[in-house]
Amino acid sequence: ETGVTQTPRHLVMGMTNKKSLKCEQHLGHNAMYWYKQSAKKPLELMFVYSLEERVENNSVPSRFSPECPNSSHLFLHLHTLQPEDSALYLCASSLLTEWGNTIYFGEGSWLTVV
Amino acid sequence: ELKVEQNPLFLSMQEGKNYTIYCNYSTTSDRLYWYRQDPGKSLESLFVLLSNGAVKQEGRLMASLDTKARLSTLHITAAVHDLSATYFCAVPKIIFGKGTRLHILP
Repeated sequence: ETGVTQTPRHLVMGMTNKKSLKCEQHLGHNAMYWYKQSAKKPLELMFVYSLEERVENNSVPSRFSPECPNSSHLFLHLHTLQPEDSALYLCASSLLTEWGNTIYFGEGSWLTVV
Repeated sequence: ELKVEQNPLFLSMQEGKNYTIYCNYSTTSDRLYWYRQDPGKSLESLFVLLSNGAVKQEGRLMASLDTKARLSTLHITAAVHDLSATYFCAVPKIIFGKGTRLHILP
């Protein structure tokens, strides 16, 4: 148990569906992240929120839309996805300090697009 | 473009043996992170190396950082089966290497 909770753990969706992944942390962290992990590629950083402001967006397609309503919650809204978007989506959080920035990961949400 | 390269990407080794995993990165960074991932599980933080020459040890794992060479190593001493996992190194902005899948043979 890392203190970062993701729901749902598994999701199957059609290409025309709209769904959302949810992430919650109760660690008092001030930064939250979405990563994508697939069999073909290493961990890819998608989005970073620092103090609820998006500070990083690594050329992610617009069919992925993040939302960070407060420092404890992070969403990833999904719409009109493609089969190649099937992957493990990992949420993470960290406390940004001058001494370091250890990231704590959630268990991940396994997404299958059919 | 920031790159983080690990080698080897796959490692099968016998119990009791020693081995080293290497992590090279392409930009200046004064810190480096090592993570472990078990199959079907999320990532677990192992080490945070915060300065040049930093060395940290936890059980049979020891990590070191050479910021001048842009190199970190993860050394495994007398491997045991429980260490079988995928090991990732990462640099700020937490860009990960491809991971090293370690398999310890009995």
